[in-house]
Amino acid sequence: QKEVEQNSGPLSVPEGAIASLNCTYSDRGSQSFFWYRQYSGKSPELIMFIYSNGDKEDGRFTAQLNKASQYVSLLIRDSQPSDSATYLCAVNSRDDKIIFGKGTRLHILP
Amino acid sequence: ETGVTQTPRHLVMGMTNKKSLKCEQHLGHNAMYWYKQSAKKPLELMFVYSLEERVENNSVPSRFSPECPNSSHLFLHLHTLQPEDSALYLCASSQDPPSGGLGAKNIQYFGAGTRLSVL
Repeated sequence: QKEVEQNSGPLSVPEGAIASLNCTYSDRGSQSFFWYRQYSGKSPELIMFIYSNGDKEDGRFTAQLNKASQYVSLLIRDSQPSDSATYLCAVNSRDDKIIFGKGTRLHILP
Repeated sequence: ETGVTQTPRHLVMGMTNKKSLKCEQHLGHNAMYWYKQSAKKPLELMFVYSLEERVENNSVPSRFSPECPNSSHLFLHLHTLQPEDSALYLCASSQDPPSGGLGAKNIQYFGAGTRLSVL
């Protein structure tokens, strides 16, 4: 059973600090990795996707991928209260499946 | 607005009712999906359609019946549901269906969802 694991949280981070969200996956052959943000009562929206080892930056967001250790992380710099949401990690596995983690609830403390 | 529209936004139905959820995408995508999201559970993929052909059915009970008349429209027909089927049902679309490749064409765009309550 291919799995994507995330700490459910809540993760509380002071405003202005760096929020670090982690995700591990079981299928070593996975190629593509996605981070979605879901506000309460809303649908998921894509924040970042990454497929190469290393870091990918987009504004205040940085995705980090380490295929050898099978983890992908999302860093949010200068956290804002509007970043408070659930962050879903999703993985495209080798057998053409996309698998979502349960999500991590992030709470930015004003 | 993601370009994926779902109706209705809320639905309350009895266990003997028949209802349908509708999804329409305006993005020119080739793949469409139905997901179920329950509290404290990961998103559960139900069905995947690629160019109107069902390519994945994740052991979903027959009381859920999908229909994809064209690449822009997706329906989920509901019949004789159970209270445990109460959840948020999300539709999504992507340019291509999931593949083992590098993923840019697999980014999924979600509709706002239908909040379903089965009494």
